[in-house]
Amino acid sequence: QSVLIQPPSASGTPGQRVTISCSGSSSSIGSNTVNWYQQLPGTAPKLLLYSNNQRPSGVPDRFSGSRSGTSASLAISGLQSEDEADYYCATWDDSVRGPVFGGGTKLTVL
Amino acid sequence: EVQLVESGGGLVQPGRSVRLSCVASGFSFDDYAMHWVRQAPGKGLEWVSGINWSSHNIDYADSVKGRFTISRDNAKNSLFLQMNSLRVEDTALYYCVKDSTSSWYGLSTAFDFWGQGTVVTVSS
Repeated sequence: QSVLIQPPSASGTPGQRVTISCSGSSSSIGSNTVNWYQQLPGTAPKLLLYSNNQRPSGVPDRFSGSRSGTSASLAISGLQSEDEADYYCATWDDSVRGPVFGGGTKLTVL
Repeated sequence: EVQLVESGGGLVQPGRSVRLSCVASGFSFDDYAMHWVRQAPGKGLEWVSGINWSSHNIDYADSVKGRFTISRDNAKNSLFLQMNSLRVEDTALYYCVKDSTSSWYGLSTAFDFWGQGTVVTVSS
């Protein structure tokens, strides 16, 4: 059971906007910023967003993030087929005293 | 271009040991903290261990504490993971990961570059 809870799956059609949630606690998301990672099939994870909503160089502005209370979310607008991947949220947990990941959400583009 | 190349994985019997290595290039290795993150077959990501730039700040996930040891050699741009008393549940793809900062502990730092990983299979 992951410290951060994500829905196991999400889906959308090309051009749609989809959101993926990440639920934590006061000791995790409630106290620390959230990072998001994208893992395309058969590849290593890639940093997608950091500090809740900051995009590394090269990440399209179709990807955005937010954090409120003990939850965070990733939004993808203008969904494209190449967005089909697993998405993971992550943060520091003050109780666990270490970095923690969500269980991951598999995004399917229909 | 940042590159992280892991090696050392393979098939190992329960209770035995293995040492993973990661050679880094394309950035100033001794300016950044580093981590090992693993992914069991068909499962999600699990942080295993982290080490700051000077090796003065090290920690482990509870699942490996007392069995695994992380270390680094800044002169050789290398990160290591000594894995002892291996268990079947340690079977996973192990990623070498660069932190976005020099000191990671207590902070929600970003893992900004990942290697391709090395597979460790623990089985009799």
